Amino acid sequence: LAKTTQPISMDSYEGQEVNITCSHNNIATNDYITWYQQFPSQGPRFIIQGYKTKVTNEVASLFIPADRKSSTLSLPRVSLSDTAVYYCLVVTGNTDKLIFGTGTRLQVFP
Amino acid sequence: SQTIHQWPATLVQPVGSPLSLECTVEGTSNPNLYWYRQAAGRGLQLLFYSVGIGQISSEVPQNLSASRPQDRQFILSSKKLLLSDSGFYLCAWRRKGNTEAFFGQGTRLTVV
Repeated sequence: LAKTTQPISMDSYEGQEVNITCSHNNIATNDYITWYQQFPSQGPRFIIQGYKTKVTNEVASLFIPADRKSSTLSLPRVSLSDTAVYYCLVVTGNTDKLIFGTGTRLQVFP
Repeated sequence: SQTIHQWPATLVQPVGSPLSLECTVEGTSNPNLYWYRQAAGRGLQLLFYSVGIGQISSEVPQNLSASRPQDRQFILSSKKLLLSDSGFYLCAWRRKGNTEAFFGQGTRLTVV
């Protein structure tokens, strides 16, 4: 299982773009990069997944360089409701375990 | 559609008492099932996972055990709770071959 490293916390203001980077140096060929969002007292929620280059959905964008040793979750124009913990996981469909790291605690200020 | 149910939402138990948390999944078959614990302000710690009925893998030696008596039922138990067992317990499921996991709403356990 590829180990991931993320910043422990980040602060931002409403309307700004937030980029959270995750390092996964030992990523394997079959691994996908997934990101989850967790609000207080709730279970994590899957928000985006990618294999390489760029993926965009209604919530976020995910940028993955060619070597795939890192990835960046981009949240455009954050609002107070984006205050949450964001987790990066590297998984394959054949991985039985799902190991979450400590995540990045994003605090958005007005 | 698939849903996951986890109960109770909150629980206050005295030290030394038993514990049973139940999680059930609907709308899918033969899922992978997971139990996590989250201490206040901390990340998710994988406790147990199961790939099939009766198959339990333990990640962290501790005062807890898990069972999967039916395909879509996952139970977390303890014979005697410790203060350190307090936390937010989350159940999750994942379809085999997929990368996305789905979480329940969690049980906040306070051992007093």
